[in-house]
Amino acid sequence: DTGVSQDPRHKITKRGQNVTFRCDPISEHNRLYWYRQTLGQGPEFLTYFQNEAQLEKSRLLSDRFSAERPKGSFSTLEIQRTEQGDSAMYLCASSLPRQQFFGPGTRLTVL
Amino acid sequence: KNEVEQSPQNLTAQEGEFITINCSYSVGISALHWLQQHPGGGIVSLFMLSSGKKKHGRLIATINIQEKHSSLHITASHPRDSAVYICAVILLGGSGGSNYKLTFGKGTLLTVNP
Repeated sequence: DTGVSQDPRHKITKRGQNVTFRCDPISEHNRLYWYRQTLGQGPEFLTYFQNEAQLEKSRLLSDRFSAERPKGSFSTLEIQRTEQGDSAMYLCASSLPRQQFFGPGTRLTVL
Repeated sequence: KNEVEQSPQNLTAQEGEFITINCSYSVGISALHWLQQHPGGGIVSLFMLSSGKKKHGRLIATINIQEKHSSLHITASHPRDSAVYICAVILLGGSGGSNYKLTFGKGTLLTVNP
């Protein structure tokens, strides 16, 4: 257990539905990252927060994706109108500053 | 071409063997991570390197900044070492400021048979 938790661990949804994932980082970490990992690939960067500010978004993050970190603590990642191509493992990591601690991930399956 | 390349993609070893996984990168970096991922997804950081060599138990990681190359060695391998090992880098400069986002290789699937 790295101290970073994610909920839910697994999500199965139908195409077109909205889903929301939550990440609770290590409490003193001010940096929080979201990554996406598809089968057989390494993770890819999605977005980064420092405290409550979202400072960078990857071009992978289409307008159907939105992430928040309202009080600089937990973060949520929402996907609207899910597509089959969104099926992946969504990983959250927190850091202070360079070494990142990963959560267990949320595996999303879009039917 | 990916900025981070790992080899081999798959590696099968017998218990007790010495294992080497290689990572090459094509860009300037400020640090390199070796990560371990077990089935089910959880990722654990093994090492963060910016120069030289680090050792933790049976694991050794080295980096050659001039050659843009790093290796992860496992001595006296054991079936519990079976996992995906991922090399990831923090790009030099990158987006600037405080974003230490990781750029990952595809991983090496290691299977150690008893």
